[in-house]
Amino acid sequence: DQQVKQNSPSLSVQEGRISILNCDYTNSMFDYFLWYKKYPAEGPTFLISISSIKDKNEDGRFTVFLNKSAKHLSLHIVPSQPGDSAVYFCAASGGSNYKLTFGKGTLLTVNP
Amino acid sequence: GAVVSQHPSRVICKSGTSVKIECRSLDFQATTMFWYRQFPKQSLMLMATSNEGSKATYEQGVEKDKFLINHASLTLSTLTVTSAHPEDSSFYICSALAHRDIQYFGAGTRLSVL
Repeated sequence: DQQVKQNSPSLSVQEGRISILNCDYTNSMFDYFLWYKKYPAEGPTFLISISSIKDKNEDGRFTVFLNKSAKHLSLHIVPSQPGDSAVYFCAASGGSNYKLTFGKGTLLTVNP
Repeated sequence: GAVVSQHPSRVICKSGTSVKIECRSLDFQATTMFWYRQFPKQSLMLMATSNEGSKATYEQGVEKDKFLINHASLTLSTLTVTSAHPEDSSFYICSALAHRDIQYFGAGTRLSVL
Protein backbone atom coordinates (compact mmCIF):
# COMPACT_ATOMS: atom_id res chain seq x y z
CA ASP A 1 0.00 0.00 0.00
CA GLN A 2 1.70 3.14 -1.21
CA GLN A 3 0.91 5.92 1.23
CA VAL A 4 2.78 8.62 -0.69
CA LYS A 5 2.30 8.73 -4.43
CA GLN A 6 4.06 10.66 -7.12
CA ASN A 7 2.12 9.70 -10.19
CA SER A 8 4.36 11.37 -12.74
CA PRO A 9 7.60 9.44 -13.20
CA SER A 10 9.05 12.27 -15.27
CA LEU A 11 8.54 15.89 -16.21
CA SER A 12 10.26 17.99 -18.83
CA VAL A 13 10.17 21.81 -18.88
CA GLN A 14 11.96 24.63 -20.61
CA GLU A 15 14.47 26.77 -18.78
CA GLY A 16 12.83 29.82 -17.26
CA ARG A 17 9.38 28.24 -17.08
CA ILE A 18 7.60 26.90 -14.03
CA SER A 19 8.04 23.28 -12.91
CA ILE A 20 5.16 21.79 -10.93
CA LEU A 21 5.72 18.48 -9.18
CA ASN A 22 2.78 16.77 -7.57
CA CYS A 23 2.36 14.41 -4.65
CA ASP A 24 -0.66 12.69 -3.11
CA TYR A 25 -0.92 10.93 0.21
CA THR A 26 -3.46 8.63 1.79
CA ASN A 27 -2.54 8.56 5.47
CA SER A 28 -4.46 11.26 7.34
CA MET A 29 -1.99 10.97 10.23
CA PHE A 30 0.73 12.62 8.17
CA ASP A 31 1.30 16.16 9.42
CA TYR A 32 4.66 17.16 8.03
CA PHE A 33 5.77 17.06 4.41
CA LEU A 34 9.15 17.49 2.80
CA TRP A 35 10.64 17.69 -0.66
CA TYR A 36 14.06 16.32 -1.46
CA LYS A 37 16.18 16.53 -4.58
CA LYS A 38 18.40 13.63 -5.55
CA TYR A 39 21.13 13.08 -8.10
CA PRO A 40 22.15 9.54 -9.14
CA ALA A 41 24.39 7.74 -6.65
CA GLU A 42 24.00 10.54 -4.09
CA GLY A 43 21.88 11.01 -1.00
CA PRO A 44 18.78 13.22 -1.11
CA THR A 45 19.20 16.92 -0.47
CA PHE A 46 16.54 18.70 1.58
CA LEU A 47 14.73 21.44 -0.31
CA ILE A 48 11.68 22.64 1.55
CA SER A 49 9.08 21.45 4.03
CA ILE A 50 5.59 22.33 5.18
CA SER A 51 3.60 21.62 8.29
CA SER A 52 -0.04 20.64 8.09
CA ILE A 53 -1.01 23.84 9.86
CA LYS A 54 0.05 25.79 6.80
CA ASP A 55 -1.04 25.69 3.18
CA LYS A 56 1.97 27.36 1.63
CA ASN A 57 5.67 27.72 2.29
CA GLU A 58 8.10 29.62 0.11
CA ASP A 59 11.88 29.62 -0.06
CA GLY A 60 13.45 31.45 -2.95
CA ARG A 61 12.50 29.77 -6.20
CA PHE A 62 10.75 26.92 -4.39
CA THR A 63 7.19 27.00 -3.10
CA VAL A 64 5.27 24.11 -1.62
CA PHE A 65 1.49 24.11 -1.51
CA LEU A 66 -0.55 21.82 0.71
CA ASN A 67 -4.22 20.97 0.21
CA LYS A 68 -5.17 18.91 3.24
CA SER A 69 -8.72 18.22 2.16
CA ALA A 70 -7.45 16.73 -1.09
CA LYS A 71 -4.42 15.14 0.57
CA HIS A 72 -2.31 16.72 -2.11
CA LEU A 73 0.84 18.79 -2.17
CA SER A 74 2.85 20.32 -4.94
CA LEU A 75 6.29 21.81 -5.40
CA HIS A 76 6.63 24.79 -7.69
CA ILE A 77 10.01 25.81 -9.04
CA VAL A 78 10.15 29.13 -10.80
CA PRO A 79 12.07 29.99 -12.83
CA SER A 80 13.37 26.51 -13.63
CA GLN A 81 17.07 26.14 -14.31
CA PRO A 82 19.04 23.34 -16.00
CA GLY A 83 20.74 22.67 -12.65
CA ASP A 84 17.35 21.75 -11.23
CA SER A 85 17.37 18.59 -13.33
CA ALA A 86 17.23 15.71 -10.83
CA VAL A 87 14.83 13.29 -9.20
CA TYR A 88 12.48 14.95 -6.73
CA PHE A 89 11.07 12.96 -3.84
CA CYS A 90 8.06 13.87 -1.78
CA ALA A 91 8.14 12.58 1.81
CA ALA A 92 5.70 12.64 4.69
CA SER A 93 5.83 12.01 8.41
CA GLY A 94 3.37 11.88 11.27
CA GLY A 95 3.55 11.24 14.97
CA SER A 96 6.55 11.41 17.24
CA ASN A 97 8.82 8.90 15.55
CA TYR A 98 9.83 11.25 12.70
CA LYS A 99 9.90 8.37 10.23
CA LEU A 100 9.59 9.45 6.62
CA THR A 101 7.53 7.74 3.97
CA PHE A 102 8.78 8.53 0.49
CA GLY A 103 7.10 8.65 -2.87
CA LYS A 104 8.79 6.98 -5.85
CA GLY A 105 10.12 10.25 -7.19
CA THR A 106 9.71 12.36 -10.31
CA LEU A 107 12.57 12.90 -12.72
CA LEU A 108 12.64 16.57 -13.67
CA THR A 109 14.52 17.60 -16.79
CA VAL A 110 14.97 21.29 -17.46
CA ASN A 111 15.98 21.93 -21.04
CA PRO A 112 18.17 24.94 -21.88
CA GLY B 1 25.04 23.46 8.44
CA ALA B 2 23.41 20.03 8.89
CA VAL B 3 26.04 18.00 7.08
CA VAL B 4 25.96 14.22 7.19
CA SER B 5 28.96 12.21 6.11
CA GLN B 6 28.65 8.58 5.04
CA HIS B 7 31.60 6.27 4.48
CA PRO B 8 32.55 4.39 2.39
CA SER B 9 30.84 5.63 -0.74
CA ARG B 10 31.40 2.36 -2.50
CA VAL B 11 32.40 -1.10 -1.33
CA ILE B 12 32.86 -4.40 -3.08
CA CYS B 13 33.10 -7.53 -0.98
CA LYS B 14 33.03 -11.28 -1.26
CA SER B 15 29.98 -13.27 -0.33
CA GLY B 16 30.03 -14.27 3.34
CA THR B 17 32.04 -11.31 4.57
CA SER B 18 30.76 -8.43 6.71
CA VAL B 19 30.75 -4.78 5.75
CA LYS B 20 30.50 -1.77 8.05
CA ILE B 21 29.08 1.56 6.90
CA GLU B 22 29.53 4.70 8.99
CA CYS B 23 27.20 7.67 9.21
CA ARG B 24 28.34 10.84 10.95
CA SER B 25 26.61 14.11 11.66
CA LEU B 26 29.42 16.63 11.26
CA ASP B 27 28.02 19.86 12.64
CA PHE B 28 25.14 18.82 14.84
CA GLN B 29 24.23 16.16 17.34
CA ALA B 30 21.73 13.57 16.28
CA THR B 31 20.01 11.40 18.84
CA THR B 32 18.11 9.77 16.02
CA MET B 33 19.48 8.48 12.74
CA PHE B 34 17.86 6.39 10.05
CA TRP B 35 19.06 3.78 7.60
CA TYR B 36 17.47 3.37 4.19
CA ARG B 37 17.92 1.11 1.24
CA GLN B 38 17.18 2.07 -2.33
CA PHE B 39 16.65 -0.40 -5.14
CA PRO B 40 17.08 0.71 -8.78
CA LYS B 41 14.32 3.06 -9.89
CA GLN B 42 12.59 2.65 -6.56
CA SER B 43 11.95 4.86 -3.61
CA LEU B 44 13.92 4.92 -0.39
CA MET B 45 12.80 2.16 1.94
CA LEU B 46 13.33 2.69 5.64
CA MET B 47 15.23 -0.19 7.22
CA ALA B 48 15.62 0.94 10.79
CA THR B 49 15.64 3.82 13.22
CA SER B 50 18.83 4.22 15.21
CA ASN B 51 18.60 5.88 18.62
CA GLU B 52 21.68 6.94 20.54
CA GLY B 53 22.27 4.76 23.55
CA SER B 54 19.48 2.30 22.84
CA LYS B 55 18.61 -0.53 20.51
CA ALA B 56 17.62 0.20 16.97
CA THR B 57 14.04 -0.20 15.84
CA TYR B 58 13.73 -2.27 12.69
CA GLU B 59 11.01 -2.09 10.09
CA GLN B 60 8.95 -5.14 9.35
CA GLY B 61 10.80 -7.62 7.18
CA VAL B 62 14.28 -6.33 7.99
CA GLU B 63 16.51 -8.94 9.64
CA LYS B 64 18.06 -7.33 12.70
CA ASP B 65 20.71 -10.04 12.99
CA LYS B 66 21.81 -9.41 9.45
CA PHE B 67 21.80 -5.62 9.57
CA LEU B 68 23.45 -4.66 12.84
CA ILE B 69 23.07 -1.05 13.89
CA ASN B 70 25.09 0.70 16.56
CA HIS B 71 24.50 4.31 17.60
CA ALA B 72 27.20 4.72 20.20
CA SER B 73 27.48 8.50 20.18
CA LEU B 74 25.45 11.55 19.27
CA THR B 75 27.32 11.92 16.00
CA LEU B 76 27.91 8.36 14.81
CA SER B 77 25.75 5.47 13.73
CA THR B 78 27.07 2.36 12.01
CA LEU B 79 25.35 -0.27 9.90
CA THR B 80 27.06 -3.65 9.58
CA VAL B 81 25.85 -6.01 6.91
CA THR B 82 26.81 -9.43 8.25
CA SER B 83 27.53 -12.44 6.07
CA ALA B 84 26.72 -10.46 2.98
CA HIS B 85 25.20 -12.18 -0.03
CA PRO B 86 24.65 -10.94 -3.60
CA GLU B 87 21.02 -10.11 -2.82
CA ASP B 88 22.28 -7.59 -0.26
CA SER B 89 23.84 -5.57 -3.06
CA SER B 90 22.12 -2.22 -3.00
CA PHE B 91 22.44 1.49 -2.31
CA TYR B 92 22.34 2.19 1.42
CA ILE B 93 21.69 5.71 2.68
CA CYS B 94 21.70 7.10 6.20
CA SER B 95 20.09 10.23 7.55
CA ALA B 96 20.27 12.18 10.77
CA LEU B 97 17.38 14.00 12.37
CA ALA B 98 18.19 17.66 12.87
CA HIS B 99 16.21 20.73 13.84
CA ARG B 100 12.71 21.35 12.63
CA ASP B 101 12.16 17.63 12.24
CA ILE B 102 14.19 17.52 9.05
CA GLN B 103 16.29 14.54 8.09
CA TYR B 104 19.60 15.30 6.42
CA PHE B 105 21.07 12.54 4.32
CA GLY B 106 24.50 11.14 3.70
CA ALA B 107 25.77 10.59 0.18
CA GLY B 108 25.01 6.89 0.26
CA THR B 109 27.03 3.69 -0.02
CA ARG B 110 26.93 1.43 -3.04
CA LEU B 111 27.43 -2.14 -1.83
CA SER B 112 28.30 -4.83 -4.35
CA VAL B 113 28.58 -8.40 -3.07
CA LEU B 114 30.32 -10.82 -5.40
